[in-house]
Amino acid sequence: DTGVSQNPRHKITKRGQNVTFRCDPISEHNRLYWYRQTLGQGPEFLTYFQNEAQLEKSRLLSDRFSAERPKGSFSTLEIQRTEQGDSAMYLCASSYIPGNYGYTFGSGTRLTVV
Amino acid sequence: KQEVTQIPAALSVPEGENLVLNCSFTDSAIYNLQWFRQDPGKGLTSLLLIQSSQREQTSGRLNASLDKSSGRSTLYIAASQPGDSATYLCAVFTRDDKIIFGKGTRLHILP
Repeated sequence: DTGVSQNPRHKITKRGQNVTFRCDPISEHNRLYWYRQTLGQGPEFLTYFQNEAQLEKSRLLSDRFSAERPKGSFSTLEIQRTEQGDSAMYLCASSYIPGNYGYTFGSGTRLTVV
Repeated sequence: KQEVTQIPAALSVPEGENLVLNCSFTDSAIYNLQWFRQDPGKGLTSLLLIQSSQREQTSGRLNASLDKSSGRSTLYIAASQPGDSATYLCAVFTRDDKIIFGKGTRLHILP
């Protein structure tokens, strides 16, 4: 197992375009989180899944954001009509619940909206 | 609402010194606490996980302690090295399934 994988590593897009990120969690992990991190700040919660069910969405996740986790495996995060304020690092983490093994994070996708 | 604070925000120390990073949280009803390291432009690397029933964890030159009653955790780094330069993030796992992060401590080890 190679850990949590996120693709792409970097994405530069023009304002108004749609972008989609992918996260492949550790295979036996049933819990998956998305976080957003801006420069100089800690990661902020966006949403999380238990298997294929999306259990909670942050107020940070506007209507332009949507996340899916079909079949409880990989997850995608889509941003529609990107804005410059969407520029950030998007991090994915996974874990197994119940359990107490902590969370494993991916390397993140850095989005730059120009 | 759970809030996590890390002090100091930045720290520079000469190579070889021992140092302590601090993390405080407002709600002691946490599930566990995890310390991460983040290099510039990279993701998070887990350093130490302290479960709610534990008081400390050690890995190599790193030692993390947890005092739930006072809402505090410390990360002790012994014999610091230039390769330890990074941002260190403290994260608490709340009982409503949230991971709440502090803003981190930017550590710079001077050669």
